[in-house]
Amino acid sequence: NAGVTQTPKFRVLKTGQSMTLLCAQDMNHEYMYWYRQDPGMGLRLIHYSVGEGTTAKGEVPDGYNVSRLKKQNFLLGLESAAPSQTSVYFCASSYPPTGWTEAFFGQGTRLTVV
Amino acid sequence: ELKVEQNPLFLSMQEGKNYTIYCNYSTTSDRLYWYRQDPGKSLESLFVLLSNGAVKQEGRLMASLDTKARLSTLHITAAVHDLSATYFCAVEETSGSRLTFGEGTQLTVNP
Repeated sequence: NAGVTQTPKFRVLKTGQSMTLLCAQDMNHEYMYWYRQDPGMGLRLIHYSVGEGTTAKGEVPDGYNVSRLKKQNFLLGLESAAPSQTSVYFCASSYPPTGWTEAFFGQGTRLTVV
Repeated sequence: ELKVEQNPLFLSMQEGKNYTIYCNYSTTSDRLYWYRQDPGKSLESLFVLLSNGAVKQEGRLMASLDTKARLSTLHITAAVHDLSATYFCAVEETSGSRLTFGEGTQLTVNP
C-alpha cells in the first residue's frame, strides 16, 4: 500500500537512552517532515528535508537529529532522551509541485520517556 | 515567523446546532488546510483552500478563506455526534515547503 509508514508505533524509553524513529514513503516524494504533537499545542515542526542528503531545522529542533541518506527514508534520532520528549511524533511527505495539497501523514509514533 | 491561532480551543455543542471555528494567521499566505484528527489516529485532510475567497463544502462542514484578513473559518451546520474530533487548520508558507499548524479545536457534540 502506498503511503507513509512509521516505525515503531509505540515505545517507552528511560531517560538518557537513545533511539531512532524511521519514516518510509514509497511515493517518490522529495519533501519529508517530522512533527511532534503535544496537547494544546498542535503539531510543531522538528526537522524537515527537501531532498536526499539535505536536512533543515524546524521550530523545535533541540534534542533531535535527522538524516536523509535515501530519498524514501527520513530518520529522527534522540541521542539522550528526556521526559520533555514524551510526545506523539508524526512524519509527513509531500511532492513539491503540488505542495501540501497531496501530502501524506504517517500513523504516528507514541513515545514515552520515563 | 508564521503564527497560526485557532479559536475556540474547546467547543462543546448540542446536536443540531451551528457553530464556527476561526483560524487566524500572521503572514501572507494563500494556501490553507483543514484537518480532522480522531483520538489516537493520524490526521485526515478535510479541505484545501488555495486562493482568496475559496469556499469548500463537504456534508455539514464548510470552510472559507479570506487572505486579506488572514482568516479562515470552518462552519458546522446541524452538528451530529460523528463530528466529534479535533480540528486543525494549517498554513503553508509561501515557499511551499513548510506547514504551520494551529493549536487545534477539540469539538464535542452532545446528544
